[in-house]
Amino acid sequence: QKEVEQDPGPLSVPEGAIVSLNCTYSNSAFQYFMWYRQYSRKGPELLMYTYSSGNKEDGRFTAQVDKSSKYISLFIRDSQPSDSATYLCAMHGAQKLVFGQGTRLTINP
Amino acid sequence: KAGVTQTPRYLIKTRGQQVTLSCSPISGHRSVSWYQQTPGQGLQFLFEYFSETQRNKGNFPGRFSGRQFSNSRSEMNVSTLELGDSALYLCASSQTVSGELFFGEGSRLTVL
Repeated sequence: QKEVEQDPGPLSVPEGAIVSLNCTYSNSAFQYFMWYRQYSRKGPELLMYTYSSGNKEDGRFTAQVDKSSKYISLFIRDSQPSDSATYLCAMHGAQKLVFGQGTRLTINP
Repeated sequence: KAGVTQTPRYLIKTRGQQVTLSCSPISGHRSVSWYQQTPGQGLQFLFEYFSETQRNKGNFPGRFSGRQFSNSRSEMNVSTLELGDSALYLCASSQTVSGELFFGEGSRLTVL
């Protein structure tokens, strides 16, 4: 069993929809939770970073962490075609950083 | 401020050959990490260097090695290439060990 599980998709939604991306994890030592966005032929870039359980908002993006369920989510409101990318969750703890497999998202105009 | 630069961007090798990939971190960043990205396995950690010392190593065979120079530039080497080594190799730099990662665009290796 992988330490971090993420559905690779692909996920395709119409423009303007709310997108929900999720990851589950098994290692209780993970304390920091991140979401990276990776455009085609580019390296990943940090999108959001959270430490505690709860919600964190940044514009159209909301990151949610539920440590009791070992479950994290990224919500994208009013999705745009420019949001089309692969989204990777990442978790840090016990001196290691582990990435999810990434979910490929396409926003259709 | 220039980002992380990786060279070469694309390369094709045959089984049994070896390859060296190069990474120039963001100016001032002393930590360099290497990752292998494949569709099936996602992003997997290879190793991390800080001030020319390997700080962490992932679960890859000894054919995968790396080093860091005094100017923080890093190289990774893969010897005796196998078909399964075909992947995107990403380098990331950070100011400190386990700090925020800034990725390069990667070197896409194809092994025939």
